Amino acid sequence: AQSVTQLDSHVSVSEGTPVLLRCNYSSSYSPSLFWYVQHPNKGLQLLLKYTSAATLVKGINGFEAEFKKSETSFHLTKPSAHMSDAAEYFCLINTGTASKLTFGTGTRLQVTL
Amino acid sequence: SAVISQKPSRDICQRGTSLTIQCQVDSQVTMMFWYRQQPGQSLTLIATANQGSEATYESGFVIDKFPISRPNLTFSTLTVSNLSPEDSSIYLCSVEESGPTGFGPGTRLTVT
Repeated sequence: AQSVTQLDSHVSVSEGTPVLLRCNYSSSYSPSLFWYVQHPNKGLQLLLKYTSAATLVKGINGFEAEFKKSETSFHLTKPSAHMSDAAEYFCLINTGTASKLTFGTGTRLQVTL
Repeated sequence: SAVISQKPSRDICQRGTSLTIQCQVDSQVTMMFWYRQQPGQSLTLIATANQGSEATYESGFVIDKFPISRPNLTFSTLTVSNLSPEDSSIYLCSVEESGPTGFGPGTRLTVT
């Protein structure tokens, strides 16, 4: 079965410093992977997705993620955090041909001044 | 990508009653999915709704509790039956369109 593991439940960074949110996956075949963001009391927003094209995926708001098959990882990064980045981030994997999504447990990003 | 809307956006219901949530998509899609997000938790897939056939439920979810309709390729409903406080969650629908593209805005259900 396919799954994702978000290694940190909570990450705190200072504004202007880099962001790293970690996600490892498990899949018996080449997966599709996604990062979504959920701001407080807001809906889910797609940040970026990997679907077996380029391994470095650029998303919205300056975020990017790199698919590393050898490490089974799909970490989310941003060079410089902004206060508006404070939110919950979910890593997702496509589970099979039905396009069902399995969510990671989420990482809450806190950005401090 | 498909634009997804949900009704209602939120509701407060008494225990023992039911709530039906509607999901409308602005284009025809083959598969629609229903998710639940309990307070402070991640999202869990409830079921896959296919047009013209019965929904496929994930482990831990049953049709009697979460009946689903899919009358056409742009619409689905999820009913949460016999409500209890444990059903207080956000319920979201999602669609497949060349792979998952997005989620509805969610329905926030509070059971008192």
